[in-house]
Amino acid sequence: DTTVKQNPRYKLARVGKPVNLICSQTMNHDTMYWYQKKPNQAPKLLLFYYDKILNREADTFEKFQSSRPNNSFCSLYIGSAGLEYSAMYLCASSRDNYAEQFFGPGTRLTVL
Amino acid sequence: GQQVQQSPASLVLQEGENAELQCNFSTSLNSMQWFYQRPEGSLVSLFYNPSGTKQSGRLTSTTVIKERRSSLHISSSQITDSGTYLCAMDASSGSWQLIFGSGTQLTVMP
Repeated sequence: DTTVKQNPRYKLARVGKPVNLICSQTMNHDTMYWYQKKPNQAPKLLLFYYDKILNREADTFEKFQSSRPNNSFCSLYIGSAGLEYSAMYLCASSRDNYAEQFFGPGTRLTVL
Repeated sequence: GQQVQQSPASLVLQEGENAELQCNFSTSLNSMQWFYQRPEGSLVSLFYNPSGTKQSGRLTSTTVIKERRSSLHISSSQITDSGTYLCAMDASSGSWQLIFGSGTQLTVMP
């Protein structure tokens, strides 16, 4: 099974409220990634886990948090959603950092 | 400058025509992937192609690492091929992220 699952598929959030997105994979991949995709823009890497080590991009460091309680699951947490967080959030996983990345179907977040 | 140059930005074809999409990379790369972006934004991986040529149905991907380029060929295009195609490189600099091109918007007309 090479699928990456994401929940929920659609999320509506109010400004200032927290948001928690979930990703799972059963491929025993070491690395899991979170990307943000806005219309007419390329996906932007937010952070990734290599095993238990979290790496966050410098420009999104304070905006997003994540946890990986086990190899299969990874969450993306927004403490206080702003309008600018409205986007598609894509989770991906790979065997290691140079291997093919498998993407989930995404979670469309709308912040009102 | 941009590390991944994707061309053309948009392409309009008549059904049955062939399409050739290109990606050029300004830095060394380990591998690259081609994606189809669904209208709602999710990505479908078409090819993981570190080098050489791969074919899947009417789609063919060719990557020449030494020349830092990759192409996606769609033969006998169909209306359902319409959408956005993205290439992404996995840089050899030690970076962990995929670096995406800006995409090609393909429209296939009946």
